Amino acid sequence: LAKTTQPISMDSYEGQEVNITCSHNNIATNDYITWYQQFPSQGPRFIIQGYKTKVTNEVASLFIPADRKSSTLSLPRVSLSDTAVYYCLVAPMDSSYKLIFGSGTRLLVRP
Amino acid sequence: EPEVTQTPSHQVTQMGQEVILRCVPISNHLYFYWYRQILGQKVEFLVSFYNNEISEKSEIFDDQFSVERPDGSNFTLKIRSTKLEDSAMYFCASSTGPTSGNTIYFGEGSWLTVV
Repeated sequence: LAKTTQPISMDSYEGQEVNITCSHNNIATNDYITWYQQFPSQGPRFIIQGYKTKVTNEVASLFIPADRKSSTLSLPRVSLSDTAVYYCLVAPMDSSYKLIFGSGTRLLVRP
Repeated sequence: EPEVTQTPSHQVTQMGQEVILRCVPISNHLYFYWYRQILGQKVEFLVSFYNNEISEKSEIFDDQFSVERPDGSNFTLKIRSTKLEDSAMYFCASSTGPTSGNTIYFGEGSWLTVV
């Protein structure tokens, strides 16, 4: 499985756009990139998944450059309730479903 | 949105006691999982379960652990003789398919404290 590297923590203010970048230099051709969010004392929650270019849903956007060695989760206009840990995971689309979580990025949104 | 529900939300047990954590996966899901997270540490995979048998398990999931789907709706994790190091948040999860192409939904967790 490709190793991922993300910032340990980030600070932002309400209303700002937050971009969290994940590095996955040894991503394989059939790997997909998935982001999860986890609030304290709660289970991880799926945010978004993509393979290349840009994916957008009602919660976030995921930008993946052509070389796919990194990806950026973009959260538009964050609020205090977006304070959470964000995990970037890389795995083959056809792999068995054993998610390997890293340490994630702790996002703190300030008023 | 459908959700995975877990009970109890918090359980305190004495070392050596048996514990059963219960989960109701999303109704049309066929693949079930248990993960755990020790306080301040990473979320760790324990076991995946499909068609009434374990499909994959981690090194953590030793003989003290077992899983069962006793009826059409519940999925349980049993720890036979709890140890202090079993104290953690245990998350049940489910998905429609077995691969990373299928979104996996986690429950809110059961916080187990072994004293």
